[in-house]
Amino acid sequence: DAGVIQSPRHEVTEMGQEVTLRCKPISGHNSLFWYRQTMMRGLELLIYFNNNVPIDDSGMPEDRFSAKMPNASFSTLKIQPSEPRDSAVYFCASIVTGTYGYTFGSGTRLTVV
Amino acid sequence: QQQVKQSPQSLIVQKGGISIINCAYENTAFDYFPWYQQFPGKGPALLIAIRPDVSEKKEGRFTISFNKSAKQFSLHIMDSQPGDSATYFCAASRNAGNMLTFGGGTRLMVKP
Repeated sequence: DAGVIQSPRHEVTEMGQEVTLRCKPISGHNSLFWYRQTMMRGLELLIYFNNNVPIDDSGMPEDRFSAKMPNASFSTLKIQPSEPRDSAVYFCASIVTGTYGYTFGSGTRLTVV
Repeated sequence: QQQVKQSPQSLIVQKGGISIINCAYENTAFDYFPWYQQFPGKGPALLIAIRPDVSEKKEGRFTISFNKSAKQFSLHIMDSQPGDSATYFCAASRNAGNMLTFGGGTRLMVKP
């Protein structure tokens, strides 16, 4: 099993540009979570999906952020327009609904200059 | 509102010593308490977890102690090794497969 796969690993973009982060969950996992990690705020849940349906997006900071899960094997997190304060490491995690123990991806380090 | 508080923020331990990290939670509906280990450039990885029906769980050198009445749980790393140097996060969730609420993290350094 290849684990949770995130791309890109690093992204540097200019303020105002659109950024798209990608995640492929583990095959068979039907819940997917997007987290953001910063020094100041630690690990924060942004949004999570169950069977491709968004369940809780209360952590999405503002309308500039959007997430989709068009099918069971792919999810995106988009920031448009990006701002320097969005700089963080973004993690995707997946799990089989009804079980314990997330598996995290290696993250995408986003830098907005 | 931070629902899981973790301390200390950083910890330095000599090789062979015991590392102790503490967490406190507020939501009594939480029923799953994992600890994650994170190395630089990597995602958090599940280390050990406990349910509130037991007071202690041990896996190798790692032990979770759980105090339901005090709403506290802790991670003990026995015989700490330089390879244990990482950031440790406690977390809590309500019901299986639900969102995890993380503590702020503890950066552990084990000196050789």
